[in-house]
Amino acid sequence: QQPVQSPQAVILREGEDAVINCSSSKALYSVHWYRQKHGEAPVFLMILLKGGEQKGHEKISASFNEKKQQSSLYLTASQLSYSGTYFCGTFPNAGGTSYGKLTFGQGTILTVHP
Amino acid sequence: DAGVIQSPRHEVTEMGQEVTLRCKPISGHNSLFWYRQTMMRGLELLIYFNNNVPIDDSGMPEDRFSAKMPNASFSTLKIQPSEPRDSAVYFCASSLAISPGGLAKNIQYFGAGTRLSVL
Repeated sequence: QQPVQSPQAVILREGEDAVINCSSSKALYSVHWYRQKHGEAPVFLMILLKGGEQKGHEKISASFNEKKQQSSLYLTASQLSYSGTYFCGTFPNAGGTSYGKLTFGQGTILTVHP
Repeated sequence: DAGVIQSPRHEVTEMGQEVTLRCKPISGHNSLFWYRQTMMRGLELLIYFNNNVPIDDSGMPEDRFSAKMPNASFSTLKIQPSEPRDSAVYFCASSLAISPGGLAKNIQYFGAGTRLSVL
């Protein structure tokens, strides 16, 4: 089942902060975050493997609340280069072979203006 | 590492023609995924392989779509006959899938995509 991302779109000015949420109705083993810039392929940003764990990438960090089955991506002091579509991908709870299939959310479009 | 390589990058064809998209995964990866992306439907998983074996093709829209992976370094996605509604960007991705229980990272690496236009 597809995770649900919110908001669907965010418009920021440079230097502002944003939060993108990803919620699942199923238990999660891990959450992956990807960014796709316009006209390009999605690129892996980070993976959250444990509940409550935070990871960082540049000024982008994320948290994973395993109990709530959700993850949040935090973009601080946004830069023009952060513009793009952000996808979360969820990996089901451990218990069997899943062949690496991620279920992606519908994406959140982030636009950063000067 | 060259990454995931897709060809062609752009394909323009007429309705009814056969289209073949190609993908070379990252060496050593054991899972390969075909996605389709459109504005209306977002990123859709069409089919995926593990160790060259198709695991789930439930995302393939119709019998007009078929995919093969004859060896670990090559996969094709074929549309025959093509229709205008097949116009989209098709991505191939590969990963090293490790069964849960280990350090399952399963990071997917995407190719640059093939932009297909069916006239």
